[in-house]
Amino acid sequence: EVQLLESGGGLVQPGGSLRLSCAASGFTFSTYAMTWVRQAPGKGLEWVSAISGRGGNTYYADSVKGRSTISRDNSKNTLYLQMNSLRAEDTALYYCAKALPSTLAIFDSWGQGTLVTVSS
Amino acid sequence: EIVMTQSPATLSVSPGERATLSCRASQSVLSDLAWYQQKPGQAPRLLIYGASNRATGIPARFSGSGSGTEFTLSISSLQSEDFAVYYCQHYNNWPPYTFGQGTKLELK
Repeated sequence: EVQLLESGGGLVQPGGSLRLSCAASGFTFSTYAMTWVRQAPGKGLEWVSAISGRGGNTYYADSVKGRSTISRDNSKNTLYLQMNSLRAEDTALYYCAKALPSTLAIFDSWGQGTLVTVSS
Repeated sequence: EIVMTQSPATLSVSPGERATLSCRASQSVLSDLAWYQQKPGQAPRLLIYGASNRATGIPARFSGSGSGTEFTLSISSLQSEDFAVYYCQHYNNWPPYTFGQGTKLELK
């Protein structure tokens, strides 16, 4: 059974940094692209960033480009999102999701999310 | 950036009836379109990909159609567990892989 467990969220001041983690199990992690999707309170889904299976290709939404870095450690079956220069509008529940085989952006398994709150 | 627009924002339907949800892309996404269901307090669940392919374990009452810029998610004979928010998402070509704003399917 695929399991994705996010962690690392919390309350941070504007301008601060956080590193989100997503521990994966139940599948061969290195062979699947992974992504981060966020959802602001009461709002819809926003794709944030994606990374290929081996980590060689990364992609970002304009809203986080230059402030965030997606990475993965396939030896630890873990996905990361380093977020810097955080803004109030980054406040959201951050989901990690696994892509279907041989795809980058069809998300067939999701974690339960980790909440990031940016506030002074 | 491709903009995905869903309609209606809210759809009120009675159990046992059919629901039809629409999604429009601002430019052609071919058939690179997925539908997700999200219930309160839960993560999204993949329903449909490739515009019309049901994901693993999705009941046959869910069907998708369309290509290019116009897409439809149909749910025949609504069950109580189907009342949720539904999102479309394109994955054509390069990112960003934008979602629609969602359609809330509510009990009439």
